[in-house]
Amino acid sequence: KQEVTQIPAALSVPEGENLVLNCSFTDSAIYNLQWFRQDPGKGLTSLLLIQSSQREQTSGRLNASLDKSSGRSTLYIAASQPGDSATYLCAVPKLAVGRGGTSYGKLTFGQGTILTVHP
Amino acid sequence: NAGVTQTPKFRVLKTGQSMTLLCAQDMNHEYMYWYRQDPGMGLRLIHYSVGEGTTAKGEVPDGYNVSRLKKQNFLLGLESAAPSQTSVYFCASRGNTEAFFGQGTRLTVV
Repeated sequence: KQEVTQIPAALSVPEGENLVLNCSFTDSAIYNLQWFRQDPGKGLTSLLLIQSSQREQTSGRLNASLDKSSGRSTLYIAASQPGDSATYLCAVPKLAVGRGGTSYGKLTFGQGTILTVHP
Repeated sequence: NAGVTQTPKFRVLKTGQSMTLLCAQDMNHEYMYWYRQDPGMGLRLIHYSVGEGTTAKGEVPDGYNVSRLKKQNFLLGLESAAPSQTSVYFCASRGNTEAFFGQGTRLTVV
């Protein structure tokens, strides 16, 4: 069973700080790993996707890395801003065998990290 | 979150009533998912589908049924609603890369 853990559960930082969010997964047979952002009362917005063959992916001030062998991914946020305050979640599709054959169908999430960036 | 539409956005049910939540995607994605999100519990997978005509149970399937008769639609049914099913429900779809989410359905069972 794939288990996804995110540390820390909550993080509060002053504006301008660089920070790292962590995501760990127990089964390294992943297809890719995706980071999301969720604002209060809203749905999830995709931030970055890293394929299993990649080591990192960048978008603006965000950089996500992936180390399959150790079962870890990190999301690095540079020069944090109050607008970055949100819950950040990581998710991995899990290889599964079903009636239709094998697929990376089941998408499992971590519990999320609640980030607060104060001015 | 372009491409994934959930209806309705809000609903209040009485205990024992039934309802169906509809998820529609226009991205030709194979995979579709229903999650529920409760305070302190994170996102929990209810059911998912790996293609038209297929469904599979997730972590918390009891009390829910699903159908995927058309590739673009994934329906979540509550046959006899219970207060424990009060939650925010999210639908998602995924191709070979990113997953996309709907805006959620806030369901209250009284």
